Amino acid sequence: GAVVSQHPSRVICKSGTSVKIECRSLDFQATTMFWYRQFPKQSLMLMATSNEGSKATYEQGVEKDKFLINHASLTLSTLTVTSAHPEDSSFYICSARQAGGEKLFFGSGTQLSVL
Amino acid sequence: GEDVEQSLFLSVREGDSSVINCTYTDSSSTYLYWYKQEPGAGLQLLTYIFSNMDMKQDQRLTVLLNKKDKHLSLRIADTQTGDSAIYFCAGLYNTDKLIFGTGTRLQVFP
Repeated sequence: GAVVSQHPSRVICKSGTSVKIECRSLDFQATTMFWYRQFPKQSLMLMATSNEGSKATYEQGVEKDKFLINHASLTLSTLTVTSAHPEDSSFYICSARQAGGEKLFFGSGTQLSVL
Repeated sequence: GEDVEQSLFLSVREGDSSVINCTYTDSSSTYLYWYKQEPGAGLQLLTYIFSNMDMKQDQRLTVLLNKKDKHLSLRIADTQTGDSAIYFCAGLYNTDKLIFGTGTRLQVFP
């Protein structure tokens, strides 16, 4: 199946700093990428949908100024957690979908810990 | 809105079949998926079914879809210890929005 690479897999940062997470589709062009957040032992919650070259669509309750999403190319989307706080600590997962395709492929996730 | 529910936990003996169930409220999904998540890892797509199908079989996996009852199930034949993980069902809505179930933790014991 298609490969989605997510980096870094784990990051620990101090409160107040910003963290960037990258999501790349390695062998296909992803017109749409999705960012999810997962708390321990819970399901995935969709944070935002990003389409290449346009602004991301955020789900209700997700602060767009805090979670900056950029989808500048067909193979790369980034999520920047700005001024991170301990409550932002979570597992973040991206997924990518090929144009016209019905499959969504997921990255391996990023465990963010804010001290 | 879309709401997808799963039972939290399932325990089976190695070699037996596992059946993981999923119910949903919004029947407008176009595709329904099953994903597997191992601890600290991303999601692995196991199989999926188009909403106008009733059944799909893929090696040890069988997906059954009952649209009338809004019920989706995943049967794993000859369950192995390596199948122990959390399984999520998900529905694709509005062509782009994937809504996940609450997840079922499958534990396989010898």
